[in-house]
Amino acid sequence: AQKITQTQPGMFVQEKEAVTLDCTYDTSDQSYGLFWYKQPSSGEMIFLIYQGSYDEQNATEGRYSLNFQKARKSANLVISASQLGDSAMYFCAIDEDYGQNFVFGPGTRLSVLP
Amino acid sequence: GAGVSQSPRYKVAKRGQDVALRCDPISGHVSLFWYQQALGQGPEFLTYFQNEAQLDKSGLPSDRFFAERPEGSVSTLKIQRTQQEDSAVYLCASRLAGTETSSYNSPLHFGNGTRLTVT
Repeated sequence: AQKITQTQPGMFVQEKEAVTLDCTYDTSDQSYGLFWYKQPSSGEMIFLIYQGSYDEQNATEGRYSLNFQKARKSANLVISASQLGDSAMYFCAIDEDYGQNFVFGPGTRLSVLP
Repeated sequence: GAGVSQSPRYKVAKRGQDVALRCDPISGHVSLFWYQQALGQGPEFLTYFQNEAQLDKSGLPSDRFFAERPEGSVSTLKIQRTQQEDSAVYLCASRLAGTETSSYNSPLHFGNGTRLTVT
């Protein structure tokens, strides 16, 4: 089974609207971390948001929030008030095995329409 | 330096040549990861170092790939007898923590990558 599944290869959203990018994961660890990264066309990997497996509250960071459903093993990224500069690839990743195993999903390409 | 530095930024190699890709992590960072990223794909794990120890090399695709971090800081990824399928962006990432529970709070800091093209 894939460690990280992102079922949306591509997504479109209108500027100023909200969008949800899906991520499901597979792990047998009790303690793990979930991360989202943004990769614009320039190629740099930009850290967006983190959720720990024991965190009871959903993480938020500015316009980014994480809809964490532990029982379903999902960690969806919500971007509010989309901006043109949000157009990029978005990767979900899991950090497990005492920090030795940091695995990325296949990514979702988000396009924000003016 | 302030961030993770990778060199060269671009490398063109003829099939069969050996290449060496350098990663200079953030000073003091214990953990160092190498990833391979094909166009339009997610980064694929290659290998992990904690200080100078290579704790996981399960992602290296063949014995032509070799990585080292002899003094626990700068790391080099070497590819021998390059093949066309080795063409990709090679990303290096580091973080302060090693293999301890606190590392779950710590994101990876990435370099800008080396784009390798094998002709």
